[in-house]
Amino acid sequence: NAGVMQNPRHLVRRRGQEARLRCSPMKGHSHVYWYRQLPEEGLKFMVYLQKENIIDESGMPKERFSAEFPKEGPSILRIQQVVRGDSAAYFCASSPTIPGQRTNEKLFFGSGTQLSVL
Amino acid sequence: RKEVEQDPGPFNVPEGATVAFNCTYSNSASQSFFWYRQDCRKEPKLLMSVYSSGNEDGRFTAQLNRASQYISLLIRDSKLSDSATYLCVVNIRGNTPLVFGKGTRLSVIA
Repeated sequence: NAGVMQNPRHLVRRRGQEARLRCSPMKGHSHVYWYRQLPEEGLKFMVYLQKENIIDESGMPKERFSAEFPKEGPSILRIQQVVRGDSAAYFCASSPTIPGQRTNEKLFFGSGTQLSVL
Repeated sequence: RKEVEQDPGPFNVPEGATVAFNCTYSNSASQSFFWYRQDCRKEPKLLMSVYSSGNEDGRFTAQLNRASQYISLLIRDSKLSDSATYLCVVNIRGNTPLVFGKGTRLSVIA
């Protein structure tokens, strides 16, 4: 059973370009969370999605950032017109639905995408 | 006040030492608590959940003090491989996203 897969592992973009980060959850997991980690900082929640639905996007910047989790295929975090301040590690986590248990209590993280904006 | 606060360290300890970290949380209604471990430039991994009665997993012991709103992690007989950043994680309520502390860095020295 493959773990959470994120790609690319490293992504370099110039200011103004678009960045697309992909996350395939573990098999059988229908909950996906995106977190961002700035250098020397903790993980900050960005968005929580289930298939075809955004459940909580309270941590997403209001502009340039969007996320989706289509019925087929991976979850995508999209950053338009990147700026240097977007340079960070972006982690995706997934969790299963376990009857009687909160869905966020067992998070499995991918290896992350390190975004560098030049 | 931050939702989850930790001493960033670093804690530099010799092999075999016992080391303890504390973490405080601001929301008294917080429901679940965890310790995650993060190695340099890698993804966080769940170390252990923290239960009200306290719990132990090998050399690791976690405690919760709801009255004072803090949790602790005790590591006995430290190994070189314990060197990492330890993240305090809190579930404020229901299915809201987990809130991560900035982490406490531990270096175990030979």
